[in-house]
Amino acid sequence: AQKVTQAQTEISVVEKEDVTLDCVYETRDTTYYLFWYKQPPSGELVFLIRRNSFDEQNEISGRYSWNFQKSTSSFNFTITASQVVDSAVYFCALSGSVGYKLSFGAGTTVTVRA
Amino acid sequence: GAVVSQHPSWVICKSGTSVKIECRSLDFQATTMFWYRQFPKQSLMLMATSNEGSKATYEQGVEKDKFLINHASLTLSTLTVTSAHPEDSSFYICSASAKGTEAFFGQGTRLTVV
Repeated sequence: AQKVTQAQTEISVVEKEDVTLDCVYETRDTTYYLFWYKQPPSGELVFLIRRNSFDEQNEISGRYSWNFQKSTSSFNFTITASQVVDSAVYFCALSGSVGYKLSFGAGTTVTVRA
Repeated sequence: GAVVSQHPSWVICKSGTSVKIECRSLDFQATTMFWYRQFPKQSLMLMATSNEGSKATYEQGVEKDKFLINHASLTLSTLTVTSAHPEDSSFYICSASAKGTEAFFGQGTRLTVV
């Protein structure tokens, strides 16, 4: 069985602060894929990143960065210098294969105040 | 990325009626489509997986006679909520993938049953 845990339900920060979202996963698969999605109030899911289990390199994309550590089964996401537009629900998800069904975490609501 | 279009974006229906939601892959052939449901302030839960030309596989606890899924072509899957009741009010979102490739999400459908 696959499980994704996002322990933080809500995070509120002031603009320009950094915010880190935690994601811990469980799987018996040796090959798996981890994702982060952003869900703004409009509801659509915005794809942010996909990582496969063999690639532990950290990634940076603009103000976003991700830290993948297999030793602790974690795939954490950091928003640097947060902006009001970053306010959304962020989901971490796990899949056993590309194009396969996703198991989502509970989501973390990020509120960035001006 | 590839485009998945979901229609309608929102729908209000009377209790006891049926409502159909369409999920189309616009620029690729989707061998597999997934249907998720999201209740307010909750995570996304997989309802069923459908492969083109085959019967859908439903997750435990999802009533297959109530949520009819048809994946008759490589570009279209439909979800019909039969005899809808207020407790079926939710956000329904599909994703589609070609064999061995990334799954892309539609925009979602917000269903309100009154």
